[in-house]
Amino acid sequence: GQQLNQSPQSMFIQEGEDVSMNCTSSSIFNTWLWYKQDPGEGPVLLIALYKAGELTSNGRLTAQFGITRKDSFLNISASIPSDVGIYFCAGFYSGGGADGLTFGKGTHLIIQP
Amino acid sequence: DGGITQSPKYLFRKEGQNVTLSCEQNLNHDAMYWYRQDPGQGLRLIYYSQIVNDFQKGDIAEGYSVSREKKESFPLTVTSAQKNPTAFYLCASSIRRQAFYGYTFGSGTRLTVV
Repeated sequence: GQQLNQSPQSMFIQEGEDVSMNCTSSSIFNTWLWYKQDPGEGPVLLIALYKAGELTSNGRLTAQFGITRKDSFLNISASIPSDVGIYFCAGFYSGGGADGLTFGKGTHLIIQP
Repeated sequence: DGGITQSPKYLFRKEGQNVTLSCEQNLNHDAMYWYRQDPGQGLRLIYYSQIVNDFQKGDIAEGYSVSREKKESFPLTVTSAQKNPTAFYLCASSIRRQAFYGYTFGSGTRLTVV
């Protein structure tokens, strides 16, 4: 089946730093989604991308749909303590009978005081 | 407000016992999913259902069972056959055949075997 490689697995940063993470696949997707999971809670949708090359922002978050349709990137600018959590990418491909999302394993963001 | 509710938030089970996790949604979504989350392993799909009275095994269905008698409800039973049930369990829902809009997740149930 399709797999997503999400990196890095963990990030230890200082408050105020910018953050970059990415998701890659050997298969193409026609939708990319980014979720954030706070500790002990369920993931919440941050950004959805529907077109190759698309760049979308949500406050300090910016995500891009890779031009090859095989990757996506999420950037967080000027990190703050509430950015701590696990960030998941998810891809969707409508062909081949598949009808669900494929998730990456997550990037665990830790902000050091 | 529409949403998806999981209960209980914390659950303790003795070895050898079955336990059922509740998941209810009022979003009028046809599709519902159960995931298991362990540290460093991401989200692993246990079961999913696209319509009432129909469900499919995911990647790690062994030791679990589900039912889908109502559109709003998709309970998960962790049976005694599940050898390592301690984990965080997440339920999600989506519009059928429109998963590209994303899933809505519940707030999870943390199951601990004692």
